[in-house]
Amino acid sequence: DTAVSQTPKYLVTQMGNDKSIKCEQNLGHDTMYWYKQDSKKFLKIMFSYNNKELIINETVPNRFSPKSPDKAHLNLHINSLELGDSAVYFCASSQGVGNYGYTFGSGTRLTVV
Amino acid sequence: QKEVEQDPGPLSVPEGAIVSLNCTYSNSAFQYFMWYRQYSRKGPELLMYTYSSGNKEDGRFTAQVDKSSKYISLFIRDSQPSDSATYLCAPGSGGANNLFFGTGTRLTVIP
Repeated sequence: DTAVSQTPKYLVTQMGNDKSIKCEQNLGHDTMYWYKQDSKKFLKIMFSYNNKELIINETVPNRFSPKSPDKAHLNLHINSLELGDSAVYFCASSQGVGNYGYTFGSGTRLTVV
Repeated sequence: QKEVEQDPGPLSVPEGAIVSLNCTYSNSAFQYFMWYRQYSRKGPELLMYTYSSGNKEDGRFTAQVDKSSKYISLFIRDSQPSDSATYLCAPGSGGANNLFFGTGTRLTVIP
């Protein structure tokens, strides 16, 4: 049973397109996150939701819009994709705010051409 | 100045060696010090953590924090080829504040 699952695993798309990444966790966790890992392996927080409420919204272009329909799901929609958006996007969850024992998904490798 | 600095390596050691992985940080408010391990093409997984200063041991792994010098260490004893991965330190200050990840040190243990 996959604890945090992301789809798709790979995404290759052209500049200017709009795409979505979906994430689901079956751990009963309250808090979910989106992280971006660039080519130098640097993991940077993008967004965090606690019980469907946005609690962390880092300096991210507004082309990125997260949505949490319920506490088990967190999706990421990206408009007008740019070359610099190419990265691995990780979804993670934790029991609650301030609980740093994150469970990560296996990542979505986005390539913009 | 970055919140967390970590030598990216790569680091290659023979099987059975003792490995020392280190990070420095700048924020005095950090109280939680996490270590995550990331295998190639996988998501990071929590390895262990410490709260405030001191040591914590878990099997072959020891995490150490020196808050006076803002220095975080992870020691691996009797390293195994299965330990080959990227190790990321990640301190946090608690509450609603997020973790800050280092860039990771890539370790290869040679049989």
